[in-house]
Parts: sequence; C-alpha cells; structure tokens
Amino acid sequence: AQKITQTQPGMFVQEKEAVTLDCTYDTSDQSYGLFWYKQPSSGEMIFLIYQGSYDEQNATEGRYSLNFQKARKSANLVISASQLGDSAMYFCAMREGANAGNNRKLIWGLGTSLAVNP
Amino acid sequence: KAGVTQTPRYLIKTRGQQVTLSCSPISGHRSVSWYQQTPGQGLQFLFEYFSETQRNKGNFPGRFSGRQFSNSRSEMNVSTLELGDSALYLCASSPGRPYSGANVLTFGAGSRLTVL
Repeated sequence: AQKITQTQPGMFVQEKEAVTLDCTYDTSDQSYGLFWYKQPSSGEMIFLIYQGSYDEQNATEGRYSLNFQKARKSANLVISASQLGDSAMYFCAMREGANAGNNRKLIWGLGTSLAVNP
Repeated sequence: KAGVTQTPRYLIKTRGQQVTLSCSPISGHRSVSWYQQTPGQGLQFLFEYFSETQRNKGNFPGRFSGRQFSNSRSEMNVSTLELGDSALYLCASSPGRPYSGANVLTFGAGSRLTVL
C-alpha cells in the first residue's frame, strides 16, 4: 500500500510568492524520518530538508521549511519567495524506524510538479 | 568534492539484451542505493549495499542484480531486458551505515535506459 501521498500533481506559483506542497504519510512506527527532494529536468534528485519524527521543532533550511503535523501525519513543504529556478518536481519520502527491521528503504510519493511564473 | 557519478547517462537497448550501469559514490561514502524511476510507478527501491554486502532488496525480479566493490563503487545489472525496464535508474550514496534515520542520500543524475 502506498504510504506517501502527494495530492497535487501540478502547482503554479508567481515568482516571489510562497507555496506549500502537500505530503501525507502513513506509518505505524513511532520512529521515522521524512525527506523532501527536488528533481529538476536534468534528473538529479536534490535533497532539500529532513524532519525526524521526534524533532520538536519544524525543520528549516534557507527558503525551505517543513510544516510537520504529527497527529495529522502531514509533512508539507513550504517554499518562501519562489524563484524561477524552483521550477521542478518535488518528492516527499519517508524512511521508517527501528521496528521496520531490514526494510529501511525510502518510500516515495509520486511527486508534485511546480512551475514558477515570472 | 565530486558528487555521485553515474555512467552511462543514456543508453538504448533491445529486448532480451542485458545492461550494466555503474555508480561511483561520493568519496568516503560507504552506502550505495539504487532506485528505478518511471512515470507510472514513481521511484521504487531496488537494492542497498554497504561494505560490499547487499543489506536491503526491493521487490524486483531476479533479472535485476547488483554488487559493490571494495572502493564502494557499485554496479547494477539487468538481464533479459523487457520493454517495461525502460526507466531512469538513480544511484544514491550516503556516509553512514544504512540503518540510521537521517541518513541523507545524495543522488547522481541517473542513467536513462530505453528498451526497444
């Protein structure tokens, strides 16, 4: 069963505005990690931000922040002051914790295509 | 510091052939993972290696295999290619052991395989 859901196949945002990309996840583990990656048309997957399930504060990395709502099992990515270079596919991914045994691969959502308009 | 290098970047094969893809991780990284990316299925985990040992394997048929060398470089092989194997194959490396939560993966640019 799919454990990461990204409900927005495509999003548009005006340059310099903020945008939120949605991600919900499903896990029975108490310990897990959530990741956001960006994939431009070149194909390379670029790490943006990480949130651990026990982290009390929302993660931030420059213009990226993660709106982590544990009870709702959501980990939305917020990009502030969008730039043209932010146009890309964005993927949410999860790695489950100790109880997953050997199954500690990353599980991925299907992605959101973001287009930044000038 | 050089990133993750994947070769070849693009290749075209025909059904029934086999293919070998190569991945050189970031210097000092000992864990290498492989993922298959297709438009319909998204990213799917193939396998993960640490210190030349396969630590984790995804749900792919035995036609998909891999290995890791003592210098942490990794190869994956797909035998008896099928049309459905057309995909972007991504390799990722990380510094630590594979079973840590914040083990951030650094990806290469991928090898795009087309099977005709």
